[in-house]
Amino acid sequence: GAVVSQHPSRVICKSGTSVKIECRSLDFQATTMFWYRQFPKQSLMLMATSNEGSKATYEQGVEKDKFLINHASLTLSTLTVTSAHPEDSSFYICSARTGRGNEALHFGNGTRLTVT
Amino acid sequence: QKEVEQNSGPLSVPEGAIASLNCTYSDRGSQSFFWYRQYSGKSPELIMFIYSNGDKEDGRFTAQLNKASQYVSLLIRDSQPSDSATYLCAVNRGGANNLFFGTGTRLTVIP
Repeated sequence: GAVVSQHPSRVICKSGTSVKIECRSLDFQATTMFWYRQFPKQSLMLMATSNEGSKATYEQGVEKDKFLINHASLTLSTLTVTSAHPEDSSFYICSARTGRGNEALHFGNGTRLTVT
Repeated sequence: QKEVEQNSGPLSVPEGAIASLNCTYSDRGSQSFFWYRQYSGKSPELIMFIYSNGDKEDGRFTAQLNKASQYVSLLIRDSQPSDSATYLCAVNRGGANNLFFGTGTRLTVIP
């Protein structure tokens, strides 16, 4: 069964508005979560590493003031896309490690964001 | 040079055949290797992981790792149409927290 839950699965918003995406670890604690973005027919691109209780680490080229990450508890990380624009339309996926015997990342179901 | 390289495909095989997917990586310090399957519009799901040189089998899937040559492969035996998806190779470098993903190979199994 799913070990990482992501919500919402799909969201449509108007340009200039903000959208919050939640990522929860189920029955395990995740001190670190990873946020990825995937454009159509392209590979996963790591956006940022979310660290519980501290600031997120952003990859080069990702605007930290536009993509706000909050990891206030060991089971919840949120990504807020602020002042969304049509070019932000993408598939956003969070992931975490369960810490159970291997280092695999387990992914949430993803959020399809469409900015009109 | 990219961290992880895969042939983007598409790779087409007939139903029942063996599909062979390959991946090379650049960092000799890489320690853990993963194969994910991603259906169109869905998020990746873990198929297998391998840490040691050699083969690791799980049902119809076999992962092969050769650290000297810096490649890892995935074999899918008795391919089914439901195996049609993009397969992502991922590598964890020693000391790195995240995984490095290849661009994926699109596999189509023809009924």
